[in-house]
Amino acid sequence: GAGVSQSPSNKVTEKGKDVELRCDPISGHTALYWYRQSLGQGLEFLIYFQGNSAPDKSGLPSDRFSAERTGGSVSTLTIQRTQQEDSAVYLCASSSGLAGLLWYFGPGTRLTVT
Amino acid sequence: AQTVTQSQPEMSVQEAETVTLSCTYDTSESDYYLFWYKQPPSRQMILVIRQEAYKQQNATENRFSVNFQKAAKSFSLKISDSQLGDAAMYFCAYSGYRGATNKLIFGTGTLLAVQP
Repeated sequence: GAGVSQSPSNKVTEKGKDVELRCDPISGHTALYWYRQSLGQGLEFLIYFQGNSAPDKSGLPSDRFSAERTGGSVSTLTIQRTQQEDSAVYLCASSSGLAGLLWYFGPGTRLTVT
Repeated sequence: AQTVTQSQPEMSVQEAETVTLSCTYDTSESDYYLFWYKQPPSRQMILVIRQEAYKQQNATENRFSVNFQKAAKSFSLKISDSQLGDAAMYFCAYSGYRGATNKLIFGTGTLLAVQP
């Protein structure tokens, strides 16, 4: 595709349920990032994938959060046992992975936990 | 660890006027990149302007320009001839040049309103 796509656009779930958020990066981009944007907050780094290297998971807020990237392309962010504080916009971005080059962001998934 | 600070949660400007958004950052690295991103209500992050730290010349993109003060670790964005379409959240961001991950580190954003 022409850009980074994310699905679903919006997700409403009940507290305690698991959710999966999907990101399709730009074809050929080796680097993929997940960020969380809470109301009134900046973008909080969650996890970073670069090629075949071990992902940088240093931003994941708890062990309820996990992510995988299959075949170096599509990524899924999974949140288990969702809590109300997980409500946020989850943004995905991809880049060619080299310093200073452009990051391309998806439109995000707005997650609401009721 | 690197940090980015935007001290203006909200700003307002009259259409056709000029506004400056502030950003400061902290890093021990000598080479890095700085960015301004725009996020309209659609949530799509749009790159406004990019500055390489090793370049002394301030970056300019049409009505958008930066004032990069490396010693002061300051990176402000000036929007000239403001237009209604400039209304958005603006984020300042940092990326290390030799960092292990080159991830972007964002400030908390400045919400810009443009008054007709």
